Amino acid sequence: QVQLVESGGGLVKPGGSLRLSCAASGFTFSDYYMSWVRQAPGKGLEWVSHISYSGNTRHYEDSVKGRFTISRDNAKKSVSLQMNSLRAEDTAVYYCARYYPYNYLDYWGQGTLVTVSS
Amino acid sequence: QSALTQPASVSGSPGQSITMSCTGTSSDIGNYDYVSWYQQHPGQAPKLMIYEVSNRPSGVSNRFSGSKSGNTASLTISGVQPEDEADYYCSSYTSGTTRVFGGGTKLTVL
Repeated sequence: QVQLVESGGGLVKPGGSLRLSCAASGFTFSDYYMSWVRQAPGKGLEWVSHISYSGNTRHYEDSVKGRFTISRDNAKKSVSLQMNSLRAEDTAVYYCARYYPYNYLDYWGQGTLVTVSS
Repeated sequence: QSALTQPASVSGSPGQSITMSCTGTSSDIGNYDYVSWYQQHPGQAPKLMIYEVSNRPSGVSNRFSGSKSGNTASLTISGVQPEDEADYYCSSYTSGTTRVFGGGTKLTVL
């Protein structure tokens, strides 16, 4: 069965960095786009970024452009999100999800909490 | 502010049908049939319920159905059950930022 397991969340000070990882299993990883979606405490879902099959195409939500970088390692079946220059408003649960390009997210991980606070 | 507009809450008694709306623009819902709906129970990850406006993934109850008219998409739950109580989010492809979500609708089963 499809499984997505995120890791790397935690408490970080404003301006700091964090790297999230998502380990995938149960499907041919290189056949799918992957995406990160976040949810601030008590708020709705917000798409953050997605990456194409080989990593050649990457898109970002405007507020994270230039600060976040998505990458993938098809050999290790993992996708990562490098987050730099973190702000308080980046505080959220970050979900990794399998993504049908520009269409829908069919499997989601359980999420990892990122808290940006001094 | 969310790009897609959803009512904050809807409610219904068990067995009733409820419909919730999701309003966008001609840049998203109105121009693409890439509308999806997600169910989220407290403390859990979202779950895909509807994709491409009206398609149900395998394993999703046929009590859930989706539709679209103009810039507004709708999710209907026929014969709502207590276990359907959750937050529901719509989402659409958009030419601007590639993907947007609604602010979510909390379904209360009375």
